[in-house]
Amino acid sequence: DGGITQSPKYLFRKEGQNVTLSCEQNLNHDAMYWYRQDPGQGLRLIYYSQIVNDFQKGDIAEGYSVSREKKESFPLTVTSAQKNPTAFYLCASSWTGSGYGNQPQHFGDGTRLSIL
Amino acid sequence: GQQVMQIPQYQHVQEGEDFTTYCNSSTTLSNIQWYKQRPGGHPVFLIQLVKSGEVKKQKRLTFQFGEAKKNSSLHITATQTTDVGTYFCAGQASGSRLTFGEGTQLTVNP
Repeated sequence: DGGITQSPKYLFRKEGQNVTLSCEQNLNHDAMYWYRQDPGQGLRLIYYSQIVNDFQKGDIAEGYSVSREKKESFPLTVTSAQKNPTAFYLCASSWTGSGYGNQPQHFGDGTRLSIL
Repeated sequence: GQQVMQIPQYQHVQEGEDFTTYCNSSTTLSNIQWYKQRPGGHPVFLIQLVKSGEVKKQKRLTFQFGEAKKNSSLHITATQTTDVGTYFCAGQASGSRLTFGEGTQLTVNP
């Protein structure tokens, strides 16, 4: 089945530790995104990438980093600089249409990150 | 920057009642998308509207895009327990990124 795989489903981070969240897609989509969702809130864009080896900051990029070395993969690193990392992290992908946002986004099942 | 506001934040209904959520943008949108997120799940794309005044239906769900392309609504007729979840709108203005509203969390009492 085609889709987006995020791992792990649950992740615990110690203070001062960097952690990396995995996101892999086999939909052959060009664009990939990372969102953060806090309880009872909407989706806030962290980073997005429309092509391999290129990515842009979203609205809340501070304390996060990404890479896009392969079309299928878009890992997110939550660094120790992110002071409040506890949240639900969602990865998504889409075709790139006539402009960013014109194509529906397909989401993975998410990773729940907590601080120990 | 572009803002997309959604109301209400929460809605509790009895099964069989209707439900509507509204989405308003501070700027004119080129298109708007709607997503549903079941409890514990991930958002799933429902529909996209692109034309001024557009109305689309999916069974008991009716989606509208305002004439000025600054607002949209999702109406569910005769809610069922399977409709439970959070409904998000996401709008894009020309040259801008897709921006999600904060969602409306719907609970349905059987």
